[in-house]
Amino acid sequence: EAGVTQSPTHLIKTRGQQVTLRCSPISGHTSVYWYQQALGLGLQFLLWYDEGEERNRGNFPPRFSGRQFPNYSSELNVNALELEDSALYLCASSHKQVLNQPQHFGDGTRLSIL
Amino acid sequence: QKEVEQDPGPLSVPEGAIVSLNCTYSNSAFQYFMWYRQYSRKGPELLMYTYSSGNKEDGRFTAQVDKSSKYISLFIRDSQPSDSATYLCAMMVTGGGNKLTFGTGTQLKVEL
Repeated sequence: EAGVTQSPTHLIKTRGQQVTLRCSPISGHTSVYWYQQALGLGLQFLLWYDEGEERNRGNFPPRFSGRQFPNYSSELNVNALELEDSALYLCASSHKQVLNQPQHFGDGTRLSIL
Repeated sequence: QKEVEQDPGPLSVPEGAIVSLNCTYSNSAFQYFMWYRQYSRKGPELLMYTYSSGNKEDGRFTAQVDKSSKYISLFIRDSQPSDSATYLCAMMVTGGGNKLTFGTGTQLKVEL
């Protein structure tokens, strides 16, 4: 069974640019989560999508946004990139929230802002 | 004060040792507790998933949760060099929007 897949693996952008990160969940999982792992800050919750809807949002500015498609894959968009957005962006997936299923992570997209 | 505290290490042990990793937390509403292992340049890999207090064993790994003390532990028996990684504890509130709150991770090195 394939795990959570993310693309691209690495990205280099400059301040002010926009970026889109992609995630495909484990087959059969309907919930997708996004986390930011910045140096020294640990993993921070960004967003949760289930059945195409945003279900929860972490303490991040509105320039962080995303969506979930009918096939349950997801995109994370970050506008007006700032230097502190440099981080590993991790996607996770799980079965529906009502079962409180554990979250399984992909290997992330490493974003560097110059 | 962070919601979840975890000693960053690094922790260095000889091969075959028993390793004890710990986290403390302040939010008594946490009910689901997880341990993830993260190798360099990889995503976190789920090791253990427990609900409320008690013990859970899976092979060489044992997870313990003491909700009265707000303290969780992961024990690794017969540690191997391949166990060298960063170990992250994570917690979740029931009905809390499925948000995982992580510790900052403990770096473990198992030496030959």
